Amino acid sequence: DVKVTQSSRYLVKRTGEKVFLECVQDMDHENMFWYRQDPGLGLRLIYFSYDVKMKEKGDIPEGYSVSREKKERFSLILESASTNQTSMYLCASSEPTGLAGALYEQYFGPGTRLTVT
Amino acid sequence: AQKVTQAQTEISVVEKEDVTLDCVYETRDTTYYLFWYKQPPSGELVFLIRRNSFDEQNEISGRYSWNFQKSTSSFNFTITASQVVDSAVYFCALSAMDSSYKLIFGSGTRLLVRP
Repeated sequence: DVKVTQSSRYLVKRTGEKVFLECVQDMDHENMFWYRQDPGLGLRLIYFSYDVKMKEKGDIPEGYSVSREKKERFSLILESASTNQTSMYLCASSEPTGLAGALYEQYFGPGTRLTVT
Repeated sequence: AQKVTQAQTEISVVEKEDVTLDCVYETRDTTYYLFWYKQPPSGELVFLIRRNSFDEQNEISGRYSWNFQKSTSSFNFTITASQVVDSAVYFCALSAMDSSYKLIFGSGTRLLVRP
């Protein structure tokens, strides 16, 4: 059974702290993604990775960095957490892009609700 | 620019009613893919369907059906005889050729099915 797990469901951090959100997938997928979800805005892509040690910025990368040292693990790092980073963070994985740019379905983790105070 | 609009923020129906969730998209690409995802209260998005731009045939899966119309740039989702378990947030998403790794999500429609 397909599985994407995230290290925490709920997290509370203080402004200025360094925050690590971890994501692990067991499907041997090449692609992994980090999104944030905010009311009225849907999901917005922060970063994605198409291979180990490879990463690409998404639509809202400011204030975030990522790490992918192993194929199954993709970490999102908030270098210095701020209150405007309070959000739901969702990790996803998928197969590589197919022919003609076909994008396969993404499998999502349960999300981490981060509160920065 | 690519964009997905889900104009219905929240819909409330009584169990067994039919309900349609609207999705309108914008893209200049001729090759693109459209998706629907369901997010139940547990938080995990669940994939429902993917359609490519060359296949306008409507699809039915049990109580779920999808109506894809390129002429109106719409990809609407209908639940027939809704059930309480259908209560969730539903997202429509678009992926076009020039952003092959990216999914552009709509803002979502929250569906509440009351017993």
